[in-house]
Amino acid sequence: EIVMTQSPATLSVSPGERATLSCRASQSVSSNLAWYQQKPGQAPRLLIYGASTRATGIPARFSGSGSGTEFTLTISSLQSEDFAVYYCQQYNNWPPLFTFGPGTKVDIK
Amino acid sequence: EVQLVESGGGLVQPGRSLRLSCAASGFTFDDYAMHWVRQAPGKGLEWVSGISWNSGSIGYADSVKGRFTISRDNAKNSLYLQMNSLRAEDTALYYCAKAQGEILTGFDYWGQGTLVTVSS
Repeated sequence: EIVMTQSPATLSVSPGERATLSCRASQSVSSNLAWYQQKPGQAPRLLIYGASTRATGIPARFSGSGSGTEFTLTISSLQSEDFAVYYCQQYNNWPPLFTFGPGTKVDIK
Repeated sequence: EVQLVESGGGLVQPGRSLRLSCAASGFTFDDYAMHWVRQAPGKGLEWVSGISWNSGSIGYADSVKGRFTISRDNAKNSLYLQMNSLRAEDTALYYCAKAQGEILTGFDYWGQGTLVTVSS
């Protein structure tokens, strides 16, 4: 089973600053990695898939990078609506098994 | 507009069964894989199960394997999750999620969830 870890658990950032979130897989998942944003009381929203491709309607300030076991989500200039929990997810296994990371909470500094 | 509406949640005693449904609209249902994802109160996301467009490929998390069964009815644009032998640790908000395409892709649309509470 592939285990996903995320760091840090909590990231305190001021509006307008850059946020860098990390995700690590216990074994290679190639580029089969997605990032989701979840706000309180809401369903998750797909931000990034294929490790670096923005989903439809996602602002350009969100970017993803990495492959294999190390991945990064960068929010270039945090807006008030970006304070949320962010999860990475791998979808590389066969038979299909998907794993989410434990999440990184981005809160206001 | 893509819509996913879950139903069937509720309070159930340990050891009993429950069947969740997800009604899909706004897209060609039988073109896409579908998934169930759950979130225990105050916790993170846990993938539960996924099914390919033609039900030919199915996967389960180890935590539910042998107890839960995923299925779909493409004629009714519906996804199901039969949950047997429920445990307290199955208590969670259960989301239905649409895959971007085939089964090994991200999840681009989510429902609002249906709450399952397992307690005596």
